[in-house]
Amino acid sequence: GAVVSQHPSRVICKSGTSVKIECRSLDFQATTMFWYRQFPKKSLMLMATSNEGSKATYEQGVEKDKFLINHASLTLSTLTVTSAHPEDSSFYICSAREGFAGSPLHFGNGTRLTVT
Amino acid sequence: AQSVTQPDIHITVSEGASLELRCNYSYGATPYLFWYVQSPGQGLQLLLKYFSGDTLVQGIKGFEAEFKRSQSSFNLRKPSVHWSDAAEYFCMIKAAGNKLTFGGGTRVLVKP
Repeated sequence: GAVVSQHPSRVICKSGTSVKIECRSLDFQATTMFWYRQFPKKSLMLMATSNEGSKATYEQGVEKDKFLINHASLTLSTLTVTSAHPEDSSFYICSAREGFAGSPLHFGNGTRLTVT
Repeated sequence: AQSVTQPDIHITVSEGASLELRCNYSYGATPYLFWYVQSPGQGLQLLLKYFSGDTLVQGIKGFEAEFKRSQSSFNLRKPSVHWSDAAEYFCMIKAAGNKLTFGGGTRVLVKP
């Protein structure tokens, strides 16, 4: 079956540094990828939708300059948390859709970010 | 390792008919259980969740789900489907260490 690889699974960084999280579709082409963030005791919140070759669409309240999303190819999307602060510590997860809108959605295993 | 299985990849239902989506999980204890819906072009929306207590959980949009420990199941139901319910539905468990595991999803098509 289709696999989405998310890397790294865990990362610890110092406040003020930037962290890049990768989301790869291993055996299919993903024209659309979604990035989510999980807040404590809350459900997953959609951060942005990225389409290959175009700018990401961010949800209301998500800082575009802080959470940089790049979807440069059909198999890779990256989320960069810039100038990270402790409040950015969270669980980030991506999902990818094969090709057309009606095709299945596949999830990565998530990345636990801890900012010290 | 935990896993979540949604046996039905596609389900087609007539508008006004009832709907049941199956979800089975494998985990050494009782995890937190969730159902999400993803409509075309949109991200995940939480329908309902189960942590403990009453095993019949009510959610938004008229959905409910029943946790059955003996069957390791958390099936989602709706008595009368509306055309706007056409979407993809995901069952998810949250296990120790905040590890999330999703089922493969069930796509629901609604016939007029």
